[in-house]
Amino acid sequence: GESVGLHLPTLSVQEGDNSIINCAYSNSASDYFIWYKQESGKGPQFIIDIRSNMDKRQGQRVTVLLNKTVKHLSLQIAATQPGDSAVYFCAESRTASKLTFGTGTRLQVTL
Amino acid sequence: DGGITQSPKYLFRKEGQNVTLSCEQNLNHDAMYWYRQDPGQGLRLIYYSQIVNDFQKGDIAEGYSVSREKKESFPLTVTSAQKNPTAFYLCASKPGIIDYGYTFGSGTRLTVV
Repeated sequence: GESVGLHLPTLSVQEGDNSIINCAYSNSASDYFIWYKQESGKGPQFIIDIRSNMDKRQGQRVTVLLNKTVKHLSLQIAATQPGDSAVYFCAESRTASKLTFGTGTRLQVTL
Repeated sequence: DGGITQSPKYLFRKEGQNVTLSCEQNLNHDAMYWYRQDPGQGLRLIYYSQIVNDFQKGDIAEGYSVSREKKESFPLTVTSAQKNPTAFYLCASKPGIIDYGYTFGSGTRLTVV
């Protein structure tokens, strides 16, 4: 899940298992949500997005779930691979003009 | 290939000096953004520009300045007034202000000694 401070929450997952990364957002007026993957020393890469009129969206090996009642977002990665190791950020937007990012979760894939 | 280029990748400066980070895009995007990232934290918005010759302050604009004289370019100057400038700086762009599809550059790591 999300946390404030200098230490990123870390999720360790064995290769081949499914990963679930959680994110709580604060603005009930947010209408767009997005997950990014960031590898060390690189810029964030788009993974998947979802609008507030949906509660689930699937991509290739990834699924995003949105629960507006409790303001919770999750990213599920199926059959996690070593290349999935990175920091994952959720971001929310109330207007299209800017995104507000969470603090990130580090995913470590063990062999 | 279209994309965003940030340069340099690593930058070292002495305390008290101004420094300018470059961001160039060939995606024909109208909107451009600068974010700052500190260890263990999410991205925080410094400045953004919706169109040439126009820009707005983000959440942490103090100590920074920008210009948008060309559509392709959105340089960020970190001034001596920025109290803690050492960070990873990311530039992003998207087609227009109502679009959601952000594209990020690979970042510039600034270290002030």
